[in-house]
Amino acid sequence: DIQMTQSPASLSASLGETVTIECRASEDIYNGLAWYQQKPGKSPQLLIYNANSLHTGVPSRFSGSGSGTQYSLKINSLQSEDVASYFCQQYYDYPTFGSGTKLEIK
Amino acid sequence: QVQLQQSGAELVKPGTSVKLSCKASGYTFTSNHMNWIKQTTGQGLEWIGIINPGSGGTSYNVKFKGKATLTVDKSSSTAFMQLSSLTPEDSAVYYCARSVRGITSYVMDAWGQGASVTVSS
Repeated sequence: DIQMTQSPASLSASLGETVTIECRASEDIYNGLAWYQQKPGKSPQLLIYNANSLHTGVPSRFSGSGSGTQYSLKINSLQSEDVASYFCQQYYDYPTFGSGTKLEIK
Repeated sequence: QVQLQQSGAELVKPGTSVKLSCKASGYTFTSNHMNWIKQTTGQGLEWIGIINPGSGGTSYNVKFKGKATLTVDKSSSTAFMQLSSLTPEDSAVYYCARSVRGITSYVMDAWGQGASVTVSS
C-alpha cells in the first residue's frame, strides 16, 4: 500500500488568512492525488483531482500543487464556511487516504 | 441532481452480517463505478472496494476481501455492500461514493450521507 502522511493534524487560522496543508506519499504517485473537504457531520466532498485540477463548483480560493511524493492544498482568504477536515487521497495505486487536517477559525 | 441515498444506522451482534444499500438518482446508474469507504475515528478513511454497475465487476482492498461483498441491482439503481462475520472493529460509518467519469474510477465526486454500523452484543 502507498502510505499518505498528512500534516498538520490540526490548524487554526484567522478569517482572510492563507493556509496550506501538506501530504507526502511513500512513493511517487505521479499526480494521482485528490483532496476532499468534510464539514462536521457531513460526507466528504471532492475539491481537487490530478493534484491541481479544481472540481466543478469549488471556489477558486482552493488550489492544489505538487509532484512526485509531495503535494499541498492551499486555501486563500479563509472563510468561515471553510471550517472542516481536509483529506488527501492517492489513486496511483488502490486508494489510500491521509489522516486528515482539522481546520478551525481562530 | 446526483443523489446517493444510503440505508439507516444498524446495531448488529458480533458474528452476524449486515447489508447496506445505496440508491442512486439523478444520473445513469450504469455510467459510473461505485466505491465504498469506511470511516472510523481511529483509522480514518479506508477504501473498501469498487463495483462497475454495468458489468457487476468488482475490485477489493485486500484488507476487506472476505469481509465485504459488493453487488448492484440495476433495476432499482441500487448498490449494496454486505459485511460478514462482524466484529467490534467493523463499527464505523460506511459511505458509498460515485466515481468521476473520465479521470479515474478512484476519484469520487458524489458521496452518500453515510450509514453507521455498530457491532455490539
